[in-house]
Amino acid sequence: GAGVSQTPSNKVTEKGKYVELRCDPISGHTALYWYRQSLGQGPEFLIYFQGTGAADDSGLPNDRFFAVRPEGSVSTLKIQRTERGDSAVYLCASSDGAGAYTGELFFGEGSRLTVL
Amino acid sequence: GQQLNQSPQSMFIQEGEDVSMNCTSSSIFNTWLWYKQDPGEGPVLLIALYKAGELTSNGRLTAQFGITRKDSFLNISASIPSDVGIYFCAGQPNAGNNRKLIWGLGTSLAVNP
Repeated sequence: GAGVSQTPSNKVTEKGKYVELRCDPISGHTALYWYRQSLGQGPEFLIYFQGTGAADDSGLPNDRFFAVRPEGSVSTLKIQRTERGDSAVYLCASSDGAGAYTGELFFGEGSRLTVL
Repeated sequence: GQQLNQSPQSMFIQEGEDVSMNCTSSSIFNTWLWYKQDPGEGPVLLIALYKAGELTSNGRLTAQFGITRKDSFLNISASIPSDVGIYFCAGQPNAGNNRKLIWGLGTSLAVNP
């Protein structure tokens, strides 16, 4: 597809379980971002990749959260020992090289995570 | 984390009316962006502002970067039903680093046809 693709669109899990969320960016976009959006809030920055490396992971809330982008394209956000407070929509975005300066990010539809 | 102050929180208007919303920050921002989010979708960029005092239009939308660099507004003229959605301001206090945007809480717009 032409846009950013995220899977799953919905994930319901139990407290303490492990979760993986996948993002397939727009082809050719070198930068990839993960944001988290809680109900009634704006997106909150988690991590940014330039190519394969995490250029800025300062938004990851704690060491239960980890993200990879091994080949510089698809990225996976991994959450260990999920807690109810992790429930949110996890948004992935990508941009070309200029996007990091212009702020023009292309977002996917998000993965809604519910931790029971 | 830090978030911008965005107002109003919600608006209910009649089709054809003009709309105005604004965003303020306690610190100076070097970039102001306005995004729109439809239900079940990710945000989509509407207008980007990079210079204090800048006034930019995109169709019926007009946005301005405040002279103090601590605020921005977005106007929508002659609203139509498809304008319904949540409008977010976003910005960045660090010049040239728009990777880590800071977002407002959003303005929810409802348009009565």
